[in-house]
Amino acid sequence: SAVISQKPSRDICQRGTSLTIQCQVDSQVTMMFWYRQQPGQSLTLIATANQGSEATYESGFVIDKFPISRPNLTFSTLTVSNMSPEDSSIYLCSSKRGGDMDEQFFGPGTRLTVL
Amino acid sequence: GQNIDQPTEMTATEGAIVQINCTYQTSGFNGLFWYQQHAGEAPTFLSYNVLDGLEEKGRFSSFLSRSKGYSYLLLKELQMKDSASYLCAVLDSNYQLIWGAGTKLIIKP
Repeated sequence: SAVISQKPSRDICQRGTSLTIQCQVDSQVTMMFWYRQQPGQSLTLIATANQGSEATYESGFVIDKFPISRPNLTFSTLTVSNMSPEDSSIYLCSSKRGGDMDEQFFGPGTRLTVL
Repeated sequence: GQNIDQPTEMTATEGAIVQINCTYQTSGFNGLFWYQQHAGEAPTFLSYNVLDGLEEKGRFSSFLSRSKGYSYLLLKELQMKDSASYLCAVLDSNYQLIWGAGTKLIIKP
């Protein structure tokens, strides 16, 4: 299994500011994913981060609000832009090493609170 | 639309057995995953079923019936550390993971 780290682990931010979350995998992986999880709720996929190309966003999420970078096969960032209290959530990075049916491995998450 | 149903919460006693059910309606099927998530932590992979039947892994077993759109996770010899949320997720025809809302399992001594 891959080991995934995320930074920061938590942050408290002011409305209107932006936060960039970093995700580092300990080995090269084909796909990386960014999720949002509200307390007690299921995981919601924001986007799939592809190395060398634009991220693929899910319905309801746009690049202007959640720009993503994937500069290489071990690293990705998610920026939450122009934040509002509704963006308060846990943001999780995940990856899978191989094929479409491989399990996903998750980072520890970033707990974001927007005041 | 795509839908996955799991009970919101279940309570069981230490040492006992509990079965967590998951039913799904998705556009296509390429397998079903179960994940465990302790409070404040990331989900961790438990099992993957793509063929009908029971897969056993120590104290945990997972069952799948594709014709019924149904799976369950069976936990035996429950321990206090098994208190967590259990997430069911289905890989659809586009290899997208569709997540259930999770079942919070409370273990009592």
